Amino acid sequence: GIQVEQSPPDLILQEGANSTLRCNFSDSVNNLQWFHQNPWGQLINLFYIPSGTKQNGRLSATTVATERYSLLYISSSQTTDSGVYFCAASYSGGGADGLTFGKGTHLIIQP
Amino acid sequence: EAGVAQSPRYKIIEKRQSVAFWCNPISGHATLYWYQQILGQGPKLLIQFQNNGVVDDSQLPKDRFSAERLKGVDSTLKIQPAKLEDSAVYLCASSLVGQTMNTEAFFGQGTRLTVV
Repeated sequence: GIQVEQSPPDLILQEGANSTLRCNFSDSVNNLQWFHQNPWGQLINLFYIPSGTKQNGRLSATTVATERYSLLYISSSQTTDSGVYFCAASYSGGGADGLTFGKGTHLIIQP
Repeated sequence: EAGVAQSPRYKIIEKRQSVAFWCNPISGHATLYWYQQILGQGPKLLIQFQNNGVVDDSQLPKDRFSAERLKGVDSTLKIQPAKLEDSAVYLCASSLVGQTMNTEAFFGQGTRLTVV
């Protein structure tokens, strides 16, 4: 099955800094999602981005499917951005399409 | 639009007891997933349903875990008997369609299970 690797595993930044989180995947995918898991455990959808670039406020994401990686950019970090960020991917060729998750990036934004 | 609903939010049981979790997906979503998230790890898929049929249960420990989605809407995940290593958050997710088209999956708040 698909392998998903995220880096870095941990990241500590000051408020206002910018950050880039990386997700590498081992095979072709037609579903790639970025999530933010808040302190209460809820997985918040950030982006559904199997290819291309999307932006939502201070967050943006790019997936280069041919090179099997995706990047999540956070600009002007705020303390509320703290938490764990997960990348998850799957490929559906007409069968199972459950997401495979990476181990996450634990982001801490200090005031 | 209401999100994915799960209950209970928390459950503490003794080992060898049984437990059941309930999930109601987003209205109209044909595909439903159950994931297990152990502390410090990413969620791992346990089972996927398309309407009321099982699409993938390859990672479900079938000797103790079972799941059903009888009417193609709500789903129940059961553990019997529970082991200490089953302590985890159990997440339910749904998506609009599956199998031939990937679409975005949305997650419920999860049920945090502690086995003592």
